[in-house]
Amino acid sequence: EPEVTQTPSHQVTQMGQEVILRCVPISNHLYFYWYRQILGQKVEFLVSFYNNEISEKSEIFDDQFSVERPDGSNFTLKIRSTKLEDSAMYFCASRGQGNGELFFGEGSRLTVL
Amino acid sequence: GNSVTQMEGPVTLSEEAFLTINCTYTATGYPSLFWYVQYPGEGLQLLLKATKADDKGSNKGFEATYRKETTSFHLEKGSVQVSDSAVYFCALSGETSGSRLTFGEGTQLTVNP
Repeated sequence: EPEVTQTPSHQVTQMGQEVILRCVPISNHLYFYWYRQILGQKVEFLVSFYNNEISEKSEIFDDQFSVERPDGSNFTLKIRSTKLEDSAMYFCASRGQGNGELFFGEGSRLTVL
Repeated sequence: GNSVTQMEGPVTLSEEAFLTINCTYTATGYPSLFWYVQYPGEGLQLLLKATKADDKGSNKGFEATYRKETTSFHLEKGSVQVSDSAVYFCALSGETSGSRLTFGEGTQLTVNP
């Protein structure tokens, strides 16, 4: 069964460092997303990406965040200068045509010290 | 904007008990509704969905009916098992193709033997 894969599963970084989280969406999907979940809290939308550009972003997704689809398979989330409050589980997701099911990866846990 | 409200948790039940987790939503138009489940240490998995009013989604003994008149999508299961222990998230997706998911707060379910 096709799946969304994410790397790394866990990353520990120092405050102020840059972090790149990687995702390989399902191959024929067109819409890509990043969500995050701070420990014990709601899953929050960060950004959606379609046709090689951001289609929607939340107020959380400020100038410190960026996304990229550098090749035909990867979808990355970059945090330029991490803060303590960026510590969370980051989920990548993808969706095919239409408005069907969103498939999530298993998440990348980011710990900022 | 769109929003989802779940019943306050956590919920603790004995095995074979009846489960209801309430979910209500606010949205314009005709959103699609989903229940996602997150088992300990894992990502989000789609449990069931309904895409139009009066549709009933079902999977693994869980059911939820899309009630437009009460803007609700309550999750039910007649007889829970220990293996159902997880966090359950109600979510909605707007009408537009590729719309993001908006999640509820999540409800922690613990089933004791």
